Amino acid sequence: EPEVTQTPSHQVTQMGQEVILRCVPISNHLYFYWYRQILGQKVEFLVSFYNNEISEKSEIFDDQFSVERPDGSNFTLKIRSTKLEDSAMYFCASSPAGGRTGELFFGEGSRLTVL
Amino acid sequence: AQSVSQHNHHVILSEAASLELGCNYSYGGTVNLFWYVQYPGQHLQLLLKYFSGDPLVKGIKGFEAEFIKSKFSFNLRKPSVQWSDTAEYFCAVKGLGGADGLTFGKGTHLIIQP
Repeated sequence: EPEVTQTPSHQVTQMGQEVILRCVPISNHLYFYWYRQILGQKVEFLVSFYNNEISEKSEIFDDQFSVERPDGSNFTLKIRSTKLEDSAMYFCASSPAGGRTGELFFGEGSRLTVL
Repeated sequence: AQSVSQHNHHVILSEAASLELGCNYSYGGTVNLFWYVQYPGQHLQLLLKYFSGDPLVKGIKGFEAEFIKSKFSFNLRKPSVQWSDTAEYFCAVKGLGGADGLTFGKGTHLIIQP
């Protein structure tokens, strides 16, 4: 069964450092998403991406964040200068039908720890 | 804006007990509703979904949920839980015509004691 894969599974970084989280969505999916979950809190929407551009982003997704689909298979989330409060589990998701139905397929997540 | 509230943060049950997890949403229009499950160390998986039609939907592993439009609710149920149901359960809503992403509840951590 096809699945969304994410790397790394866990990354520890120093405050102020740049971090790139990578995702390989399911191959025939067209819509891509990043969510995050701070420990003990709910899963929060960060950004959606379609047709090589951001289709929607939340207020969390400020100028420190960016997304890219560099080669047609990977979908990356970059945090330019990490803050302590960026520590969270980051989930990538993809969907064949996008926002119309909302059914998403999630990766296992990348745990980011900012020290 | 759409929002979701899950009433129970932690639920502990014995095997064979019946389960009901509450979920209420806020959105003025038509919604698609979901329950996702996250087993320890694994990714979020779709448990069941409601788009339209019969408000009682059945999902995997014996779970079901009932959409009650008048109560803005989508409660998850299972008549007899198993130890392997220990997981985090998330209710989520997608307002049609609304925000692009899913809006999740805070999750309910379910522990089943053998």
